[in-house]
Amino acid sequence: DVKVTQSSRYLVKRTGEKVFLECVQDMDHENMFWYRQDPGLGLRLIYFSYDVKMKEKGDIPEGYSVSREKKERFSLILESASTNQTSMYLCASSHYPPEASAYEQYFGPGTRLTVT
Amino acid sequence: GEDVEQSLFLSVREGDSSVINCTYTDSSSTYLYWYKQEPGAGLQLLTYIFSNMDMKQDQRLTVLLNKKDKHLSLRIADTQTGDSAIYFCAERGTTDSWGKFQFGAGTQVVVTP
Repeated sequence: DVKVTQSSRYLVKRTGEKVFLECVQDMDHENMFWYRQDPGLGLRLIYFSYDVKMKEKGDIPEGYSVSREKKERFSLILESASTNQTSMYLCASSHYPPEASAYEQYFGPGTRLTVT
Repeated sequence: GEDVEQSLFLSVREGDSSVINCTYTDSSSTYLYWYKQEPGAGLQLLTYIFSNMDMKQDQRLTVLLNKKDKHLSLRIADTQTGDSAIYFCAERGTTDSWGKFQFGAGTQVVVTP
């Protein structure tokens, strides 16, 4: 079974703190993604990575950065946490998709981050 | 840009059929997906449909695709309390080569006894 794990299920941080969210996958997937999930807004893509040390901005990258030093690990960094970054953060991974084929993103359980 | 829309809430009685609807705007969408999120968990793929199909059935799940109207639906037959979850519609278009999805806001399904 594909497994995507996230370092914490719940996290409480103070405004201005630097926050690291870690994600690890065990299926040798090329792609990894970070989303945030907010009620009524669904999943919004923050950043994704298609290879080690490679990253691309998603739809809402402001206030976030990422790091991918090893293929299995993708970190999301909040340089200076703010209250509007209180959210559920979901990590996902997938193989690099063949052009004309369905494929699946596999999700971790999520980290609920509260910034006070 | 691409947009995927769903209604936010659906209440259904146990044993009845549930129908969750989704509309999308990207005419280049090739694959459309339904994911399920149970409380406190990540998303799990339920099923997907290729854009050249109009129906797909998998046990209690039936997916209908109306490509002309860009409308996708998920029907759950004989809905059970374990079907209470958030259901996300997602699409992947041909313009995206990275494998990115565009997700809807999710439909909260509550199954009542």
